[in-house]
Amino acid sequence: QQQVKQSPQSLIVQKGGISIINCAYENTAFDYFPWYQQFPGKGPALLIAIRPDVSEKKEGRFTISFNKSAKQFSLHIMDSQPGDSATYFCAASRNNQGGKLIFGQGTELSVKP
Amino acid sequence: ETGVTQTPRHLVMGMTNKKSLKCEQHLGHNAMYWYKQSAKKPLELMFVYNFKEQTENNSVPSRFSPECPNSSHLFLHLHTLQPEDSALYLCASSQEEWNGELFFGEGSRLTVL
Repeated sequence: QQQVKQSPQSLIVQKGGISIINCAYENTAFDYFPWYQQFPGKGPALLIAIRPDVSEKKEGRFTISFNKSAKQFSLHIMDSQPGDSATYFCAASRNNQGGKLIFGQGTELSVKP
Repeated sequence: ETGVTQTPRHLVMGMTNKKSLKCEQHLGHNAMYWYKQSAKKPLELMFVYNFKEQTENNSVPSRFSPECPNSSHLFLHLHTLQPEDSALYLCASSQEEWNGELFFGEGSRLTVL
């Protein structure tokens, strides 16, 4: 029940295309859902986050879609660029325990020029 | 220096050695974390400190011993490790424990022979 399942494990997208990464969770006590981006040799960095009171959040080319009833959320990267090539992690945490994140397995995104 | 700094970046140790990982944050945060990142596995929360007090030990074996002397410094003392402990150890900080915006260091790559 503590798991966050992420798919796909790897993704290849052409430049200018849309990258979509999906995550699912079981624990209904989760109320904070961030996405982190990690480049090789670097630590993960927060990209965008959402709480269950909204169904969508957009920041630039990055959008989180959230489906509370299905217990699923996804990251959409519009107009994907080669510089977006990185590993993306979804995560979840419980109320007032924001930093105690449960991470998904990660998706290695490669954007081809 | 800015952000979260981890030393050493790489460490090779035998199973009978004792070594320590160091983390320092220059962000004025009050919460600090150790996460473990193994190949093909999700990031795994190990320990959480909030205002120098340990608030989470995620069933971590006693061969890993954390220390948080103040809100800016975090150590992970290692002794009698096993080869399966080889991984990237990531330190992170956040404003408070409830705040899920984690700032990660670049990690310490540990190899246990």
